[in-house]
Amino acid sequence: QQPVQSPQAVILREGEDAVINCSSSKALYSVHWYRQKHGEAPVFLMILLKGGEQKGHEKISASFNEKKQQSSLYLTASQLSYSGTYFCGTVTGANNLFFGTGTRLTVIP
Amino acid sequence: SAVISQKPSRDICQRGTSLTIQCQVDSQVTMMFWYRQQPGQSLTLIATANQGSEATYESGFVIDKFPISRPNLTFSTLTVSNMSPEDSSIYLCSVEPDRGEKLFFGSGTQLSVL
Repeated sequence: QQPVQSPQAVILREGEDAVINCSSSKALYSVHWYRQKHGEAPVFLMILLKGGEQKGHEKISASFNEKKQQSSLYLTASQLSYSGTYFCGTVTGANNLFFGTGTRLTVIP
Repeated sequence: SAVISQKPSRDICQRGTSLTIQCQVDSQVTMMFWYRQQPGQSLTLIATANQGSEATYESGFVIDKFPISRPNLTFSTLTVSNMSPEDSSIYLCSVEPDRGEKLFFGSGTQLSVL
């Protein structure tokens, strides 16, 4: 029941935008997004609940399409500090969090 | 929020031995989890550590291989038993202070099995 993320990896120049997608085969109660830098623990970015809401966090926002069982993370005007691996996490009926396959984002000057 | 102390931070172990990883939280939390992250991979949920009862294991993980203790609401241990090189991974403790809200992670234990 691991969610699938796309793309697997992306390279951006500073200031460019990116979209990371997360798709689940199961009905979702909520979607989490985390960022993990190399050698560190994942850090929470945001949670989206059922209802198709969109949330924002600085220049990072996300949407959740409950019917399609998908979520997307939007990174605008990327900064060097955005580099890392992004994971979505999905909560289904079992109420535990399962992490997606991951997207490695590299921002270069 | 929650501050998690996890130790050891890393260890190199011999095949066939066992290692116990400790996770201490600075506040009482109901939900505590153990994840495994193999090199370059995503995080895989091993089990939910339940206080006062047996842990709940995910598919592919069994108690004999990964025994878990949860004596109280601030502490848990994960043991990796009879280790093989395939067990080389980062093991992360995680807590969910408020149900349905974000997870906090320990700094992880990097395990290498020779």
